[in-house]
Amino acid sequence: EVQLVESGGGLVQPGRSLRLSCTASGFSFGDHSVSWVRQAPGKGLEWVGFIRRKSNGATADYAASVKGRFSISRDDSKSIAYLQMNSLKVEDTAFYYCARVMEGVVGIAVDYWGRGTLVTVSS
Amino acid sequence: QSVLSQPPSVSGAPGQTVTISCTGSSSNLGAGYGVQWYQQLPGTAPKLLIYANNNRPSGVSDRLSGSKSGTSASLAITGLQAEDEADYYCQSYDRTVSGSVFGGGTKVTVL
Repeated sequence: EVQLVESGGGLVQPGRSLRLSCTASGFSFGDHSVSWVRQAPGKGLEWVGFIRRKSNGATADYAASVKGRFSISRDDSKSIAYLQMNSLKVEDTAFYYCARVMEGVVGIAVDYWGRGTLVTVSS
Repeated sequence: QSVLSQPPSVSGAPGQTVTISCTGSSSNLGAGYGVQWYQQLPGTAPKLLIYANNNRPSGVSDRLSGSKSGTSASLAITGLQAEDEADYYCQSYDRTVSGSVFGGGTKVTVL
């Protein structure tokens, strides 16, 4: 069974950093890119960024709203993807989901999602 | 303002058909990028319903169907049931943004 589990969320002050983890199981993690999507309470979905699989260079792309502050990395030996969030702002408060990208489908389509972890940025 | 536009809400009686539209532009749907549809029940993670315009993953009801034409796409739910009450999001790739984009979401209410 494909599973993705996010962890690392919590309450953090503006300007501080936080690192989220996405632990995968039930599939060959290294064969898939991983996307991060967030959702502010009561709001819609917002794409944060994604990291390609190693065979595609393991490079990452980001939404304009987080570029330069957030970075995504992966450790295929542990089946974990990370979202490093620096210089956090109040408007970064949201549930953060990681999701598996469907390889072979154009457009960063994702098929399996984690349950999400809540990040609250507040003083 | 979302790059992909969806109506905030649609409603229908049990058994009826509802359609949710998703309007994009020449930098996303009109550029040939496919559209995906996700359902989000209250308090849960999104679930993939349709990928690459009109493909259903295994296990997704055949009451759901997707289509795309030009800069627009739509999701149809036939034989509406109480369990279909949820938020629905369209998603695609945008070459101007150089990333994934979502619609603002549509709340489906079963009357």
